[in-house]
Amino acid sequence: DIQMTQSPSTLSASVGDRVTITCRASQSISTWLAWYQQKPGKAPKLLIYKASSLGSGVPSRFSGSGSGTEFTLTISSLQPDDFATYSCQQYNSYPLTFGGGTKVEIK
Amino acid sequence: EVQLVDSGGGLVQPGGSLRLSCAAPGLTFNNYVMTWVRQAPGKGLEWVSTLTSNSAGSYYADSVKGRFTISRDNSKNTLYLQMNSLRAEDTAIYYCAKGTMAASHNYMDVWGKGTTVTVSS
Repeated sequence: DIQMTQSPSTLSASVGDRVTITCRASQSISTWLAWYQQKPGKAPKLLIYKASSLGSGVPSRFSGSGSGTEFTLTISSLQPDDFATYSCQQYNSYPLTFGGGTKVEIK
Repeated sequence: EVQLVDSGGGLVQPGGSLRLSCAAPGLTFNNYVMTWVRQAPGKGLEWVSTLTSNSAGSYYADSVKGRFTISRDNSKNTLYLQMNSLRAEDTAIYYCAKGTMAASHNYMDVWGKGTTVTVSS
């Protein structure tokens, strides 16, 4: 199974900050990586697919990069609506696996 | 806008069974791979099972293999998850999610609101 490791697990930031979250795969997954945002009590929402493609309706302040085993999600200027938990997911092979999540908190 | 409506959760005793449903009104349902993902209280997301558009291929997490069965009725635009021999560790919110058209390289772009399953005596 492919293990997905996210860092940090928690991140404190202020509105307007540039935020970067890292996701590492235990083996190469090419660019078969998605990022999701989840708010408390809500379902996950797709942000990024194929490592760097923006999901439908997702603001352009979100971007993804990487390939192989190392990936990043960047929020260029953190907005109040962005305080949430972010999870990566590999879809290179089954079983599909998720990272443990990164909670972005208000500083 | 595509919506998924998941239902069927509840309280069940260990060893019991439950069937979850996910309705997809307005979606060309038979074009897409469909997936169940769960989230235990305070934990991260865990993939459970995926079914191809024509039901020819199904995939399961080791933790549920042999106990859970995924199925779909394309005439009713509905996905199911039959859960048998339930254990306390199956307690979670279960989300259905729409995938891509191919089972390989399948990410989830639309999610239901989730249905809660609690396994407890």
